[in-house]
Amino acid sequence: GAVVSQHPSRVICKSGTSVKIECRSLDFQATTMFWYRQFPKQSLMLMATSNEGSKATYEQGVEKDKFLINHASLTLSTLTVTSAHPEDSSFYICSAPTLTASPEAFFGQGTRLTVV
Amino acid sequence: EDQVTQSPEALRLQEGESSSLNCSYTVSGLRGLFWYRQDPGKGPEFLFTLYSAGEEKEKERLKATLTKKESFLHITAPKPEDSATYLCAVAVNQAGTALIFGKGTTLSVSS
Repeated sequence: GAVVSQHPSRVICKSGTSVKIECRSLDFQATTMFWYRQFPKQSLMLMATSNEGSKATYEQGVEKDKFLINHASLTLSTLTVTSAHPEDSSFYICSAPTLTASPEAFFGQGTRLTVV
Repeated sequence: EDQVTQSPEALRLQEGESSSLNCSYTVSGLRGLFWYRQDPGKGPEFLFTLYSAGEEKEKERLKATLTKKESFLHITAPKPEDSATYLCAVAVNQAGTALIFGKGTTLSVSS
């Protein structure tokens, strides 16, 4: 099946610094990628939709200036958490639907962000 | 509002003790219902897609079924390696939209 690679898998950063997370589709092109956040024992919550060549669409309550999304190519989307704070600590997961008619989405391995 | 509810929240089984997980949904324009397995600290791993009521899919000890209001994930004679969180998600309306997830059922199978 389609493969989505996410990097890094874990990152610890100091409060106030920025962290970049990469999401790559390895064997298919993805004009759209999704970024989710998952808190312990909670569901995946959609943060934003990343669109290749255009601005990302953010869900209500998600600060676009804090969570910068760039989708510069058909295989790469990045999420940058700017001026990170401890409350940003979470599990971030990207996904990419394939370009077939099927709405199946494949997920990256996730990134555990810890802000200290 | 589109909604997905999974039950139970947690399930403990003995090895070989079959059971079912439930996913009920209230959505407008269902395009597909998905089951994923998620291990701790990992991203969701795709298991099944179901598109219409009456459809069934099987993979090893897992069988997913779909009605107009809910889906079941049946686990037959589970093994400890089946221990994980099982997520149900739906795709609605237009193509290219994100999935809506339930909170998951955490399954623990003891030997």
